[in-house]
Amino acid sequence: DAGVIQSPRHEVTEMGQEVTLRCKPISGHNSLFWYRQTMMRGLELLIYFNNNVPIDDSGMPEDRFSAKMPNASFSTLKIQPSEPRDSAVYFCASSWTGRGGKLFFGSGTQLSVL
Amino acid sequence: ELKVEQNPLFLSMQEGKNYTIYCNYSTTSDRLYWYRQDPGKSLESLFVLLSNGAVKQEGRLMASLDTKARLSTLHITAAVHDLSATYFCAVDKDGGSQGNLIFGKGTKLSVKP
Repeated sequence: DAGVIQSPRHEVTEMGQEVTLRCKPISGHNSLFWYRQTMMRGLELLIYFNNNVPIDDSGMPEDRFSAKMPNASFSTLKIQPSEPRDSAVYFCASSWTGRGGKLFFGSGTQLSVL
Repeated sequence: ELKVEQNPLFLSMQEGKNYTIYCNYSTTSDRLYWYRQDPGKSLESLFVLLSNGAVKQEGRLMASLDTKARLSTLHITAAVHDLSATYFCAVDKDGGSQGNLIFGKGTKLSVKP
């Protein structure tokens, strides 16, 4: 299995632009998570899907952030409009909840908003 | 609000020495996870501790869980340079097994010759 696949690996954009991050979970996993990592705040859980349905989005910082999971093999995290304080590494992770909740992380997207 | 606290946050060790990283959490979860992150890389699962008293070992790392004390430890034996990384503990936000994990701030370990 290729693992969790995220794209792009790096994204540099200007303030105000729309940013879309993409994630393909491991085949057969039924839960998907978006995390954000910064030096100041560490790893923050943004949103969590189970069987393609958003279960907990309490970590989404603002209405500028939105996430979708149209099917079991694809999810997006969108920021519109982007701001410099959104600069971070965004990780997608997936799991099979029947196996103790262990998460498998993608390589992350390094986002820089100028 | 669930809190997961690790200490120390920074640890500089000499090769060959032993040390312990502590992870305290505020929920009643009966399972705890340890992850490793190398600089600029993703997170890799090290251990999943599923019950009170659970102990798991791999190489020079041993993790344990005391759910009554809400404490997990990651013990490093005879450290080597390859163990240099950031180590995170995590607990399920809902106290179950959904994988909805809240992470500690991480312990940055540096092992020096």
